Amino acid sequence: AQSVDQPDAHVTLSEGASLELRCSYSYSAAPYLFWYVQYPGQSLQFLLKYITGDTVVKGTKGFEAEFRKSNSSFNLKKSPAHWSDSAKYFCALEGTGGNNKLTFGQGTVLSVIP
Amino acid sequence: EAAVTQSPRSKVAVTGGKVTLSCHQTNNHDYMYWYRQDTGHGLRLIHYSYVADSTEKGDIPDGYKASRPSQENFSLILELASLSQTAVYFCASSDWGGAGQDTQYFGPGTRLLVL
Repeated sequence: AQSVDQPDAHVTLSEGASLELRCSYSYSAAPYLFWYVQYPGQSLQFLLKYITGDTVVKGTKGFEAEFRKSNSSFNLKKSPAHWSDSAKYFCALEGTGGNNKLTFGQGTVLSVIP
Repeated sequence: EAAVTQSPRSKVAVTGGKVTLSCHQTNNHDYMYWYRQDTGHGLRLIHYSYVADSTEKGDIPDGYKASRPSQENFSLILELASLSQTAVYFCASSDWGGAGQDTQYFGPGTRLLVL
């Protein structure tokens, strides 16, 4: 079985601060990991993914994420944060068994105060 | 830019009634998916398909059927809608270039309220 946990339901910070959204996963093999963002009233948009290789991956909109096998985490980071980053962020895992099936975390609502 | 559209965008249904949600993609993608989103949960996979005329069960298929009549179209069918099926439903599509290689592109979502 595979699972994804985003322990912070809400994160609030001031514009200009550094943001880090937490994601941990459980999977018996090497996972493929994704971050998606959902702006208010919109659908999900792809931000970045980790497949293999470098542990820090860069994505769109200035985001990056660090894969840490030692503690099964894939945290999303950005510095500085902008008010337009306010959205709901989802971490997702695709097992290496194929078929592109994604398992999503619960999501973290990020509020960036101008 | 990938294009996935859904219809209707919102719907109110009565308990026990039949509901059909439709999804259309113009990306020439092989894979299509139906997810539901509930407050406090992430997206959960209901059904998916990797080829026309074939569908597969996802993680929460009970109470739902799916139909893939063509590569472009994928429907989700609630034969007997229940209150617990009130949710936002998302369709997505992706290509197949190998595990982990392909991004899923999501539609705008359908907000379903069952009364």
